[in-house]
Amino acid sequence: ILNVEQSPQSLHVQEGDSTNFTCSFPSSNFYALHWYRWETAKSPEALFVMTLNGDEKKKGRISATLNTKEGYSYLYIKGSQPEDSATYLCASSVRAGSAGNMLTFGGGTRLMVKP
Amino acid sequence: NAGVTQTPKFQVLKTGQSMTLQCAQDMNHNSMYWYRQDPGMGLRLIYYSASEGTTDKGEVPNGYNVSRLNKREFSLRLESAAPSQTSVYFCASSQTGGLGEQYFGPGTRLTVT
Repeated sequence: ILNVEQSPQSLHVQEGDSTNFTCSFPSSNFYALHWYRWETAKSPEALFVMTLNGDEKKKGRISATLNTKEGYSYLYIKGSQPEDSATYLCASSVRAGSAGNMLTFGGGTRLMVKP
Repeated sequence: NAGVTQTPKFQVLKTGQSMTLQCAQDMNHNSMYWYRQDPGMGLRLIYYSASEGTTDKGEVPNGYNVSRLNKREFSLRLESAAPSQTSVYFCASSQTGGLGEQYFGPGTRLTVT
């Protein structure tokens, strides 16, 4: 079982602040790193999937980077808005062959943006 | 397309009761998964099915059984519910191969008293 860790566990910011959080994962046998956004009472929704060292992905004000050699990924939110309030989950997968695409999730970072 | 659907959305059980959580997907995905989510612990894999006719244990399988009824449906059964199984349960599916992006259902909130 991979050990995927996220920090911080929770984060309170003011509207307009930019913020970032970290996901660390074992770099051996790494295959892909996933970021999900999970709003209360809804299902997790995929934000990004990254595979290559140095990958950067962007969707609106949210972006992510990946360092597979040292085993970490950062998620950035520029100019946070109240609607960004959610739990952000990262998950790592290894090459699973015929066993399917197994994801190991971190504990999540809960972001709360105050108006 | 409905994506991934789960029933029921909410359930309260007494210790020792049994129940089955249903999951179905209409995306023609080969792989399906059951997770539980507990505060501060992210999502933990209970069981998964890489393809129709196969099931395997995940990280926390004790107290659960699963059935991959066909390609669309994957059910999770609690034979004798315990308070430690109070949790939110998510079903997910993905296509085999590719980057492994998983699509989640809306969740079932289960309370065992």
